[in-house]
Amino acid sequence: SQQGEEDPQALSIQEGENATMNCSYKTSINNLQWYRQNSGRGLVHLILIRSNEREKHSGRLRVTLDTSKKSSSLLITASRAADTASYFCATGTSGSARQLTFGSGTQLTVLP
Amino acid sequence: GAGVSQSPSNKVTEKGKDVELRCDPISGHTALYWYRQSLGQGLEFLIYFQGNSAPDKSGLPSDRFSAERTGGSVSTLTIQRTQQEDSAVYLCASSQGTGGAGRYGYTFGSGTRLTVV
Repeated sequence: SQQGEEDPQALSIQEGENATMNCSYKTSINNLQWYRQNSGRGLVHLILIRSNEREKHSGRLRVTLDTSKKSSSLLITASRAADTASYFCATGTSGSARQLTFGSGTQLTVLP
Repeated sequence: GAGVSQSPSNKVTEKGKDVELRCDPISGHTALYWYRQSLGQGLEFLIYFQGNSAPDKSGLPSDRFSAERTGGSVSTLTIQRTQQEDSAVYLCASSQGTGGAGRYGYTFGSGTRLTVV
């Protein structure tokens, strides 16, 4: 079953604009991670935020986490055409499951 | 190795044949995961290994699917009597450990695109 659900499913913006993607989840988490995927192949880990953190930055990426609303957002500032990809959130729990559960992803298109 | 290596990168097989997919994780990564991704979909968890043992096989879709890992390193995912619905990209990932699921980010391989005709 899907733990994380991204919103929107698809997003198209102009180069230089900011892109915001949201992720909602259902159960308590230990941490939440964002990944990027190009061309339907391997995923690349972008950033990890722990359940006791509220915001994290990495370069042009900013991630927020609101555990009371069970939601997270990924902001990409000053987007570039090379940012075009699918972005997935993934949640890790402190229960018996040791694997990450991935959402269905947001397809971001940055137009030059 | 420097990254997670999967082979083959592409596999076309006839319905009913068996296939074996290979994953070579990053050296020293104790945890290894298999996921599959159907076209335009998210990732479906299949199985994970901690060392050579597989504590969680709950994601395997049927008894035609099996996986093993030897020497705490290379893993193979075997699909017997393949069906058309098995067509997908099979992704392998490794991490330093689980330490409370997902404490460490995953490093993914490039995947094996399986097409059953």
